[in-house]
Amino acid sequence: GENVEQHPSTLSVQEGDSAVIKCTYSDSASNYFPWYKQELGKRPQLIIDIRSNVGEKKDQRIAVTLNKTAKHFSLHITETQPEDSAVYFCAAANQAGTALIFGKGTTLSVSS
Amino acid sequence: SQTIHQWPATLVQPVGSPLSLECTVEGTSNPNLYWYRQAAGRGLQLLFYSVGIGQISSEVPQNLSASRPQDRQFILSSKKLLLSDSGFYLCAWKGDRVHNEQFFGPGTRLTVL
Repeated sequence: GENVEQHPSTLSVQEGDSAVIKCTYSDSASNYFPWYKQELGKRPQLIIDIRSNVGEKKDQRIAVTLNKTAKHFSLHITETQPEDSAVYFCAAANQAGTALIFGKGTTLSVSS
Repeated sequence: SQTIHQWPATLVQPVGSPLSLECTVEGTSNPNLYWYRQAAGRGLQLLFYSVGIGQISSEVPQNLSASRPQDRQFILSSKKLLLSDSGFYLCAWKGDRVHNEQFFGPGTRLTVL
């Protein structure tokens, strides 16, 4: 089945710096890759996603890139702010498209 | 618009007691429904998912079970809770078409003592 690896597990940056989180997946048939942000004690919230027919997608300070050949995708946050501090999860859809397999999460801390 | 509800929000149960957590979705038909568990400071573990009434797929062996008695209702149960069942239980839904986004409910925080 699908397996998703996420790195790093923790990331500390200064306000205004960029943050990059990377994920790799195992199933070459996967074609949907969302990213979720989870603040302490809250539910995960979808922040951006990318489908396999697209190489990059941007939404203001957030961007996601996908390399299908290498089976990896990344989340890029520019001009980080303290409110970006949270746990970020990447995920990949299973082959049937019925379920998401999540990475173990990255705890991002942005200090001012 | 679609809304997903979970209850209770928090629950404290003794070891060996039964469990029933409920999840309902409004504003959509024939959703895919999911149960995840998140242990403290850990990732999201998929427990069960359902693509229709009475259809349950189990992802991990455990003492939990799931049922889907109605199109928009998903229930997580246990006959006898273990200490290791403590965690944050999240229900999620997505549309029945491939590639649709998946959305999480507010979660139930379960503590087994």
